[in-house]
Amino acid sequence: QKEVEQNSGPLSVPEGAIASLNCTYSDRGSQSFFWYRQYSGKSPELIMFIYSNGDKEDGRFTAQLNKASQYVSLLIRDSQPSDSATYLCAVNGGTYKYIFGTGTRLKVLA
Amino acid sequence: SAVISQKPSRDICQRGTSLTIQCQVDSQVTMMFWYRQQPGQSLTLIATANQGSEATYESGFVIDKFPISRPNLTFSTLTVSNMSPEDSSIYLCSVAGGGKAGNTIYFGEGSWLTVV
Repeated sequence: QKEVEQNSGPLSVPEGAIASLNCTYSDRGSQSFFWYRQYSGKSPELIMFIYSNGDKEDGRFTAQLNKASQYVSLLIRDSQPSDSATYLCAVNGGTYKYIFGTGTRLKVLA
Repeated sequence: SAVISQKPSRDICQRGTSLTIQCQVDSQVTMMFWYRQQPGQSLTLIATANQGSEATYESGFVIDKFPISRPNLTFSTLTVSNMSPEDSSIYLCSVAGGGKAGNTIYFGEGSWLTVV
């Protein structure tokens, strides 16, 4: 059974700090990795994707991928209260079949 | 990315009834999918809606319970049949948006169903 694991949280960080969200996956054949943000009562919104080992930066967000260790992480710099949401990690093996984690709830404290 | 609209956004349904959820996309897309997100759970793929042919269902989901239509490249429906409280969930339509990753998917606004 292919799995994606995330700590459910909540992860609480003060405003302005760096939030670090982690995700591990079981399928070594996974090729693409995605982070979605889901506000309470809303549908998931794509934040970033990454498919090569290393870091990928987009504004305050940095995705990190380590295929050898089978983990992917999301760093949020200068965290804002508006970043408070559930962050979903998803992986796929080159098809459109995504495997989602259960998400990590982030709370940014003002 | 495409704009994906779903109707209804929310509904409270009686046990034993069926409800059809509509998904409209503002551009033609090849791949459309239906996901379910039960309370406190991850997103689970129900099926891939194929234009011009039967939907492809994932393990644990069957056509009799979740019939799907895909009459054209911009529209799909998902019916939740003979509902029970266990069907209370968010149902999400999604489309493949291409992008550099090739397999990026985007979600509609979701349909929140509560079965009583």
